[in-house]
Amino acid sequence: SQQGEEDPQALSIQEGENATMNCSYKTSINNLQWYRQNSGRGLVHLILIRSNEREKHSGRLRVTLDTSKKSSSLLITASRAADTASYFCATFTSGTYKYIFGTGTRLKVLA
Amino acid sequence: SAVISQKPSRDICQRGTSLTIQCQVDSQVTMMFWYRQQPGQSLTLIATANQGSEATYESGFVIDKFPISRPNLTFSTLTVSNMSPEDSSIYLCSVHSDRVNEQYFGPGTRLTVT
Repeated sequence: SQQGEEDPQALSIQEGENATMNCSYKTSINNLQWYRQNSGRGLVHLILIRSNEREKHSGRLRVTLDTSKKSSSLLITASRAADTASYFCATFTSGTYKYIFGTGTRLKVLA
Repeated sequence: SAVISQKPSRDICQRGTSLTIQCQVDSQVTMMFWYRQQPGQSLTLIATANQGSEATYESGFVIDKFPISRPNLTFSTLTVSNMSPEDSSIYLCSVHSDRVNEQYFGPGTRLTVT
């Protein structure tokens, strides 16, 4: 399969709690990007982390990257009901010049 | 960031017919990508479209079924040919920004085949 794996497939938490999603991939990459998709609508770019970076923050988002384990995690702190969405990781490799998406995590934040 | 529009936003089509989806970008880009997202699934890359050359298709996708045009640096079309209910999906185009190495997506075309 061309896709990376994400876990968990689905996550349900209470508002105010933290949500952690994990992404594993198979090949060497140049960068990894996280996207949000609300209920079958377009994808929103959240954050990009390059292969030479280990951690990045953007507002309530924290992304880590471990290239030795070929894995990344997305942490959403102090979650809100509006964070309810599907989250996807996508890896970019300049050698093949294409993006490969993970299987996605469906997050539900309960008010 | 790039602003991308797609037409149509949605359509309901009869099996055996074809639909052409248009993708317009507000700036010139080298690489454009077409994805399919089946209900409840992640995105699967169909093909990469360069201006002035044949599209490069991923395993499981063929030109006869998904012909792609890329006449200039701001526009591309994807045709879904001889449709069957299994083609019911969201089709998305995207572009890659060399400047920031990010990918931007159009809003998608929701296709239902009856």
